[in-house]
Amino acid sequence: QKEVEQNSGPLSVPEGAIASLNCTYSDRGSQSFFWYRQYSGKSPELIMSIYSNGDKEDGRFTAQLNKASQYVSLLIRDSQPSDSATYLCAVGGSGYSTLTFGKGTMLLVSP
Amino acid sequence: GAGVSQSPSNKVTEKGKDVELRCDPISGHTALYWYRQSLGQGLEFLIYFQGNSAPDKSGLPSDRFSAERTGGSVSTLTIQRTQQEDSAVYLCASSSRDRDGYTFGSGTRLTVV
Repeated sequence: QKEVEQNSGPLSVPEGAIASLNCTYSDRGSQSFFWYRQYSGKSPELIMSIYSNGDKEDGRFTAQLNKASQYVSLLIRDSQPSDSATYLCAVGGSGYSTLTFGKGTMLLVSP
Repeated sequence: GAGVSQSPSNKVTEKGKDVELRCDPISGHTALYWYRQSLGQGLEFLIYFQGNSAPDKSGLPSDRFSAERTGGSVSTLTIQRTQQEDSAVYLCASSSRDRDGYTFGSGTRLTVV
């Protein structure tokens, strides 16, 4: 059974700091990796995707993938209170495939 | 449409009743997914439609759950003889291209009393 593991948190960081969110997955055949942000009472929103080993940057967000270690992370630079949410890691195969989601890490950014 | 549309947004039903949840995906998206999210739990995959292929029903928790997708667009998830453990937020998502992430709808919050 495919599993995606995340620390449930909460991860508390002060405004302006770097938040680091981590995720491990069990299926070595996984090919696609995503980070979603979910505000309380709302549906998940896609913020980052990554498919190759290394880093991918988009604004204040950087996704990092290490397939050998089966590890994916999300860094949020200059964290803002508006970044306070639950971050879901999702892992999929090649082509169209269903995604397996972790249970999410709650991030709290204090002013 | 501009986004994935789900209806109703909230549904309260009595135990034992049948319910239908509707999803209208983004126009042109060929893949459609149903997940559910219980309080404090992760997203649980239910069923997946891709084009004209047979749906992947491997996530449906029991034979009380069924779904169809008409004309490659709108999908309906039906839960028969609802039970209290069916209470959850039911999320529909669609995607357009190979290996794209999903776009989720706003969900249907189902409460079985």
